[in-house]
Amino acid sequence: GENVEQHPSTLSVQEGDSAVIKCTYSDSASNYFPWYKQELGKRPQLIIDIRSNVGEKKDQRIAVTLNKTAKHFSLHITETQPEDSAVYFCAANLGSNTGKLIFGQGTTLQVKP
Amino acid sequence: GAGVSQSPSNKVTEKGKDVELRCDPISGHTALYWYRQSLGQGLEFLIYFQGNSAPDKSGLPSDRFSAERTGGSVSTLTIQRTQQEDSAVYLCASSFTSSGANVLTFGAGSRLTVL
Repeated sequence: GENVEQHPSTLSVQEGDSAVIKCTYSDSASNYFPWYKQELGKRPQLIIDIRSNVGEKKDQRIAVTLNKTAKHFSLHITETQPEDSAVYFCAANLGSNTGKLIFGQGTTLQVKP
Repeated sequence: GAGVSQSPSNKVTEKGKDVELRCDPISGHTALYWYRQSLGQGLEFLIYFQGNSAPDKSGLPSDRFSAERTGGSVSTLTIQRTQQEDSAVYLCASSFTSSGANVLTFGAGSRLTVL
């Protein structure tokens, strides 16, 4: 079946450093790629998303890049802060005309002060 | 409502009992999704609704799991004869529509513990 793979599973950085999380997807028809942040015991919350008609999107310290040819997309967090510590999930929609999302397994990011 | 509401927030049950989990989506959202998150794991798709219809129920783990949605709003996920492996957080999400790229907004989840 269609799937999304996410790496690394855990990531530890020093405050102020950058963090990069990478995902690959299998459905070439996917055209929507959101990223969710889930703090301990809380619900997943959308932090940024990208559609297939653009290659990069930035929102303050967060950016996402998309390579449709290679079927991979990445999340970049710059100037990390302790409050960035959480589990991050990437996702891709299944097919170009569906909102059903397939999620990666998640990356636990720890930002050390 | 202003957000996606789920109830109960916590449910402890004995093996073999039936449970019902409820989701109230954002007002005006026609699409509703159920996901399951086991401890320390990712989000596993279960089923989604567009209106009252379920075009994709491929993620339901077994015939003990069922879901319905009435009036294009509230949805209920029912697990019959619960097993210990059913223990997880059941997350509901809604979006404006299920076609194309739409933002999913999640509820806080229902944590199910089967003893």
